[in-house]
Amino acid sequence: GQSLEQPSEVTAVEGAIVQINCTYQTSGFYGLSWYQQHDGGAPTFLSYNALDGLEETGRFSSFLSRSDSYGYLLLQELQMKDSASYFCAVNSGGYQKVTFGTGTKLQVIP
Amino acid sequence: NAGVTQTPKFQVLKTGQSMTLQCAQDMNHNSMYWYRQDPGMGLRLIYYSASEGTTDKGEVPNGYNVSRLNKREFSLRLESAAPSQTSVYFCASSEGRRINQPQHFGDGTRLSIL
Repeated sequence: GQSLEQPSEVTAVEGAIVQINCTYQTSGFYGLSWYQQHDGGAPTFLSYNALDGLEETGRFSSFLSRSDSYGYLLLQELQMKDSASYFCAVNSGGYQKVTFGTGTKLQVIP
Repeated sequence: NAGVTQTPKFQVLKTGQSMTLQCAQDMNHNSMYWYRQDPGMGLRLIYYSASEGTTDKGEVPNGYNVSRLNKREFSLRLESAAPSQTSVYFCASSEGRRINQPQHFGDGTRLSIL
């Protein structure tokens, strides 16, 4: 089966940088995704890594190391609106099948 | 652009009742998914449909059935609802023919079973 581990909660200061880690165990790995979900809302896609290295999209970056079964999401210049839950997810067992982690609740404080 | 539309948004059922959650997407996506989300449990895959005409079990399929009615629609049925099925249910879709395609989620159905 598949399993993903990420911290349950992280607190960071507005304007700072925060890193949310994700380790995974899976077979047939195709890629690692990140999603954001505000309270009461639907998850929205942030980024995808199929190959090792860093992908940058504005203030958000995502990193993958396939040899370490590890990835992280980096949020820079934190804003209050970044307070949300962040989920890593793996495509495995057939690339259409996606398994999500339990999520990291990020609280941004002034 | 509607994206992924789920109905109903809220529902209260009694134990043993049945109901069908509806999902439709207008993005011409091939793959569709049903997840449930419980506090502290993240999103768990119930069933998915990689393409029209196919359905496969996810992590937690027991107590549920699905129908991929056509390319646009993917329904989830609870035949005999149980309190353990109280959850928020999300439908999602993705293009499905290439690896790095994001999933697009509906707004969810909040289901309570008494």
